[in-house]
Amino acid sequence: DAKTTQPNSMESNEEEPVHLPCNHSTISGTDYIHWYRQLPSQGPEYVIHGLTSNVNNRMASLAIAEDRKSSTLILHRATLRDAAVYYCILRDTAGGGADGLTFGKGTHLIIQP
Amino acid sequence: DAGVIQSPRHEVTEMGQEVTLRCKPISGHNSLFWYRQTMMRGLELLIYFNNNVPIDDSGMPEDRFSAKMPNASFSTLKIQPSEPRDSAVYFCASSFGQQETQYFGPGTRLLVL
Repeated sequence: DAKTTQPNSMESNEEEPVHLPCNHSTISGTDYIHWYRQLPSQGPEYVIHGLTSNVNNRMASLAIAEDRKSSTLILHRATLRDAAVYYCILRDTAGGGADGLTFGKGTHLIIQP
Repeated sequence: DAGVIQSPRHEVTEMGQEVTLRCKPISGHNSLFWYRQTMMRGLELLIYFNNNVPIDDSGMPEDRFSAKMPNASFSTLKIQPSEPRDSAVYFCASSFGQQETQYFGPGTRLLVL
């Protein structure tokens, strides 16, 4: 799997937007960009994913650079419940033979009240 | 929907004992994944099944680990004999299809003394 690079930690204030960056300079044309997060003492949960175009859902937005070598997860209005480790993961869907998720170290997001 | 169910939630055992972790995937999901999380190694895939058949067990640490999926609604991960370095949180996840969003259980926290 192609590798991703994320900051170890980020801090933000409650009710402010949060932009979590991810670099994936070796991404291939068939790699989807997935984001999962892990709240304290819980299993990871899916946040959002995309291929080329920006994506929005009820949890977050995903902004993908035109060259696809980086992406940004956007939490529009962070709450204390968004404090978690956020993982940016590439998944190659070519060939149909998928697999499990390859987690890196992720970004530990701290939300200040 | 109850989500992915794992049992037990906590397990404390002594070195050399057999440990069996259990997982019930979300009804209708046909792919099941076992992950392990430690501070040192993070989240890592151990094995995954598709339609009850093991597809990739290359992440299983050694012969002491074995996993089965006798039917679509139940899987076990067994460690025999257990060792202190097996202490970790073990997560089970399921998805509808190998490449689809994975839904994680709450995990089993294993401590081997």
